[in-house]
Order: sequence, then structure tokens, then C-alpha cells
Amino acid sequence: GAVVSQHPSWVICKSGTSVKIECRSLDFQATTMFWYRQFPKQSLMLMATSNEGSKATYEQGVEKDKFLINHASLTLSTLTVTSAHPEDSSFYICSAPSSRGYEQYFGPGTRLTVT
Amino acid sequence: QKEVEQDPGPLSVPEGAIVSLNCTYSNSAFQYFMWYRQYSRKGPELLMYTYSSGNKEDGRFTAQVDKSSKYISLFIRDSQPSDSATYLCAIGDDKIIFGKGTRLHILP
Repeated sequence: GAVVSQHPSWVICKSGTSVKIECRSLDFQATTMFWYRQFPKQSLMLMATSNEGSKATYEQGVEKDKFLINHASLTLSTLTVTSAHPEDSSFYICSAPSSRGYEQYFGPGTRLTVT
Repeated sequence: QKEVEQDPGPLSVPEGAIVSLNCTYSNSAFQYFMWYRQYSRKGPELLMYTYSSGNKEDGRFTAQVDKSSKYISLFIRDSQPSDSATYLCAIGDDKIIFGKGTRLHILP
């Protein structure tokens, strides 16, 4: 199957700083990528849809000025958590849809800890 | 009512037992029904999908969809310790809605 990578896999940052997470499709092109957040023992919650060449679409309740998404190329999307706070500590996962639409290829996730 | 409801567990069963995982959903328009498996600290991976109603079997795994009841199931036969993971049901088409996930422990 297709491969999606994320970097870093784990990051610890201080409150008030910004953190950038990269999501790459390694062997295919993705005009769309999805960003999810997963708190412990909770489900994946879609945060936003990243679109190559255009603005991201954010889900209701997600602050677009806090979670900056850039889809710079057909293989790279980035999520920047600005002015991070401890409540932003979570597992962030990206995915890209397959040509079949209903299947998504997920990255391995990035664990963010804000101290 | 949430769009997808799934009991988070945890569910612990002895090795070799049959496991039954279930979800209910509210939107009858969806056509694709999926089960993803997620190991600890990893991203989910697609395990099985079903289009519309019916059953689908793949080795020890069987997925069932009952659209009249808006109920989807995943059965695991001859469960193994390596099956221990979180199983997320998902419905949708281009946009996927996930259940909360059920944590499954297979006891050796």
C-alpha cells in the first residue's frame, strides 16, 4: 500500500512556542490530505482538510489561526500549532485518500507534548 | 445523537475466542463501511471495507453491514494476541467519520 510519513514522531515544546508537523506522501501524489487529532482513549477527530494550492478547510470549532495548514506541494502538507498550550498536547495524525476514495492512508502520527 | 457510536471497551477475551465488535450509525446516506485497526502509538490502517449491505470475509475477519438497522459488525475468529489493538469503525465516502474505537485485548 501507499506510504505516508510524518515528522517528527514525537515533540516536546514549551507553552507559547510554535511547532510544525510535516506529512508526506512518499510514493504517490495527494491533492488532499486530512489532519486529525486524537486524545487518549478517544476517537480520531478531523481537524481540517488540506488542499494543494488552496486554503485548508477547517472543521467547526477548530481555530484556523492557531492550527496553520500549508499544502505546499502534491506530496507535502504541514500543520503548525502556534502558541501551543498544554491542552494542545495530543496525537496528531495525517492521512491521504487513496484513488478509491473511501480508503485513507494514515501517517504514523506525531505525539505533541506541551509543557 | 453522534453520527457513529462505538463502545470504547476495553474488551478482553482469551486467545482462540470469537470476538464481536459493533457500531451503530445515524446517517443512512453513507455507502462505505470500514474497519481500521490501530496499534498503540501508530496510525490506523484499513482492515476491511464493505460497500452497502452484506457480509465480507477475509481470513479470520468478517465484516457485516445491516443498513436497515444501521448496524455494522466485525467478527474475529480464532483470536490471537497479535490482534490486540484498537479497532475503529468508519463510515462515509470521501469524508470519513470514525467511531471512538474499541480497545481489544487478547489474553494468551
